[in-house]
Amino acid sequence: KAGVTQTPRYLIKTRGQQVTLSCSPISGHRSVSWYQQTPGQGLQFLFEYFSETQRNKGNFPGRFSGRQFSNSRSEMNVSTLELGDSALYLCASSFSTGGNTIYFGEGSWLTVV
Amino acid sequence: AQRVTQPEKLLSVFKGAPVELKCNYSYSGSPELFWYVQYSRQRLQLLLRHISRESIKGFTADLNKGETSFHLKKPFAQEEDSAMYYCALSANSGGSNYKLTFGKGTLLTVNP
Repeated sequence: KAGVTQTPRYLIKTRGQQVTLSCSPISGHRSVSWYQQTPGQGLQFLFEYFSETQRNKGNFPGRFSGRQFSNSRSEMNVSTLELGDSALYLCASSFSTGGNTIYFGEGSWLTVV
Repeated sequence: AQRVTQPEKLLSVFKGAPVELKCNYSYSGSPELFWYVQYSRQRLQLLLRHISRESIKGFTADLNKGETSFHLKKPFAQEEDSAMYYCALSANSGGSNYKLTFGKGTLLTVNP
């Protein structure tokens, strides 16, 4: 069974630009969640989607948004990029919400210059 | 709101020594707790979950509700255990929604 796949793996953007990251969950998984990982803050929860609906949202500004498609694939978008948005963005999938084991992708490394 | 605290950012032990990675949580309900591990250049992966009460790679973790702790232990550390370890708490955030909150992680180094 293929794991969680994230694209692109690495990208460099300029301040003020916007970026879209993509995540393909494990086949059969309907829940997708996103995390931001930085050396200083560790893993911070961004949001979770289940059956195309946002179920949970972390404490991030409105510049961070996401969506989920009918095939459970998910995208997250960051608009008006700031230097502090440089991080590893991790996507994770699980069969459903609530206490299920989540499986992580390798992440998308975003550098904002 | 739920919170997970891992008091040690760095932990260094010698091979063969016992190791304990501390995790404390705050949550008013019934928690579900996990340990995730990230080896160098690998993706974050589940090590164990308290509900399974299993031992993985020699690691065990017991949920102590009185002390609100879920410490990870291994009696004899191996060099291949060197990794970043994250404690995580899954808690109900309203209705049927759950949220997984991670601690900031402990970097374990096992020296030869």
